Amino acid sequence: GNSVTQMEGPVTLSEEAFLTINCTYTATGYPSLFWYVQYPGEGLQLLLKATKADDKGSNKGFEATYRKETTSFHLEKGSVQVSDSAVYFCALPNEIFSGTYKYIFGTGTRLKVLA
Amino acid sequence: EAGVAQSPRYKIIEKRQSVAFWCNPISGHATLYWYQQILGQGPKLLIQFQNNGVVDDSQLPKDRFSAERLKGVDSTLKIQPAKLEDSAVYLCASSFQGGKNIQYFGAGTRLSVL
Repeated sequence: GNSVTQMEGPVTLSEEAFLTINCTYTATGYPSLFWYVQYPGEGLQLLLKATKADDKGSNKGFEATYRKETTSFHLEKGSVQVSDSAVYFCALPNEIFSGTYKYIFGTGTRLKVLA
Repeated sequence: EAGVAQSPRYKIIEKRQSVAFWCNPISGHATLYWYQQILGQGPKLLIQFQNNGVVDDSQLPKDRFSAERLKGVDSTLKIQPAKLEDSAVYLCASSFQGGKNIQYFGAGTRLSVL
């Protein structure tokens, strides 16, 4: 089945630093890829997604490009803020049976941004 | 549009007691999920419903956990009896259909078993 491998944290950066969180995947075909973010005390929320190879998802200054050559979907942001401190999860759907999928989540990467 | 509602937000119980969590998904979402998230880990799928039928419960500890989704809308997750290792955040999520689409999560219920 499909799987994701995510960079381990925690990642600690100063404000305005450049962020990369690595995610690689193993998949049959080309499923959609997702990044979710979990702020302290909250549930997960979708940050961005890409639905096909070479797509770039973007939101709130974050970007990730679906790269089939390297089977990667790395999350990047040019200048992080303290408010970006959260846990980030890479995810993709895995087909259970025809037309029905369940999500496979990475282990999560905790980001702490210092002022 | 209202999001996924969960209650309670917090629960503290003694081991061997029972506890129940409630989830109301986004209106029109056919697929509902219950996840267990232990501190410092990613969400682990416990059970997935499509309408009121179970499509995956392979990681649900069925000797103590049960879940139902009557009428294909609200869902409850029950633990009876609770163990110390059940301390976690229980997240409910829903998606439009099939699970291939974006999942919308509730804020979760934080369970502490003493």
